Amino acid sequence: GAVVSQHPSRVICKSGTSVKIECRSLDFQATTMFWYRQFPKQSLMLMATSNEGSKATYEQGVEKDKFLINHASLTLSTLTVTSAHPEDSSFYICSASTSGGGRWETQYFGPGTRLLVL
Amino acid sequence: EDQVTQSPEALRLQEGESSSLNCSYTVSGLRGLFWYRQDPGKGPEFLFTLYSAGEEKEKERLKATLTKKESFLHITAPKPEDSATYLCAVMDSSYKLIFGSGTRLLVRP
Repeated sequence: GAVVSQHPSRVICKSGTSVKIECRSLDFQATTMFWYRQFPKQSLMLMATSNEGSKATYEQGVEKDKFLINHASLTLSTLTVTSAHPEDSSFYICSASTSGGGRWETQYFGPGTRLLVL
Repeated sequence: EDQVTQSPEALRLQEGESSSLNCSYTVSGLRGLFWYRQDPGKGPEFLFTLYSAGEEKEKERLKATLTKKESFLHITAPKPEDSATYLCAVMDSSYKLIFGSGTRLLVRP
């Protein structure tokens, strides 16, 4: 149980284009989903938290107009990197939890999406 | 400021050589401490959650313990397939996870 998928697993795009990454909870309903970014040999940095049906909450320093997050259903959240540039190249990972991030809930992570912007 | 520090940064063990990984933390309003395993190019895989000092959890060759300032992940008689990066994270009062930088474990046959 508690399986989270991401699609695509890797994507290469040209500078200036937009890229959409999907995150799905396959066997549970995720009221809260999280998006992280991980640079090589570094740890995960939280970008934003999204709750189903409401606007995402972004961490300080994360541009909400550049990283668009939609959490349209209890099993799907999307991250769109708009007008991508080479510095946006990174490993993007989503996670999902089954409540509002309450004490007893664990975050289950997807397999990640490797983005390379040329 | 909430902070999580893991040590050592990297650890090389021979198969069967037991050891421990450390995670020290400072956080206001600890909601829980989490251990994850991450293989290269993959997302973190959940291992344990600890909520209060004195709590211990075990899974196969792994055992996690928690005090008020740190957590240990004990690996007993490790095998090569235990090679991975082990991440520690604390959940703060706003229910966000704050990750440490991880310990890269290599177990040689």
